[in-house]
Amino acid sequence: GQQVMQIPQYQHVQEGEDFTTYCNSSTTLSNIQWYKQRPGGHPVFLIQLVKSGEVKKQKRLTFQFGEAKKNSSLHITATQTTDVGTYFCARNNAGNMLTFGGGTRLMVKP
Amino acid sequence: ETGVTQSPTHLIKTRGQQVTLRCSSQSGHNTVSWYQQALGQGPQFIFQYYREEENGRGNFPPRFSGLQFPNYSSELNVNALELDDSALYLCASSFDPVGGYTFGSGTRLTVV
Repeated sequence: GQQVMQIPQYQHVQEGEDFTTYCNSSTTLSNIQWYKQRPGGHPVFLIQLVKSGEVKKQKRLTFQFGEAKKNSSLHITATQTTDVGTYFCARNNAGNMLTFGGGTRLMVKP
Repeated sequence: ETGVTQSPTHLIKTRGQQVTLRCSSQSGHNTVSWYQQALGQGPQFIFQYYREEENGRGNFPPRFSGLQFPNYSSELNVNALELDDSALYLCASSFDPVGGYTFGSGTRLTVV
């Protein structure tokens, strides 16, 4: 099927360090969405990327969409304990039906 | 806080039973989707409704069925429950047919 692969599965960082998660697809993506899920919580929409090479920022979060629209990344600068959670990318299939990646679980040591 | 509410929050059922999960979406959100999330995994798409019609389905058997009502509420029904159906079931709605989704807090279903 049309899957998206996320790496790494887990990441432990010291508070203040940077963090990056990568999302890869073997086929071209029409667009990509990113969600954050806190432990015990539900996915919360962060952003949607549509254009080739697009870069968007939300405070300490930087989202990129690859030139070939086959990969995307989320970078967090100077992590904080509030960044703890699992970050999912999701490809948007026809009709806005989402296929989620396996997620990257971020743990931050204070 | 989320504008999508789900009930119940937790549920325990016996294998072979039937269950109905409910979701109330934000007003004006014509699209509602249901996802199954097993522990430690990403959400898996079950099906989607747009204006009360199913317009997409994932790789789930027919014993998973749903309804969407004019008042932006919806249901997920699962018949003949199996142990592997134990998961967090998430409802998500969207106003924009190509935009991000608002997820509910989910129903944690345990099948014993």
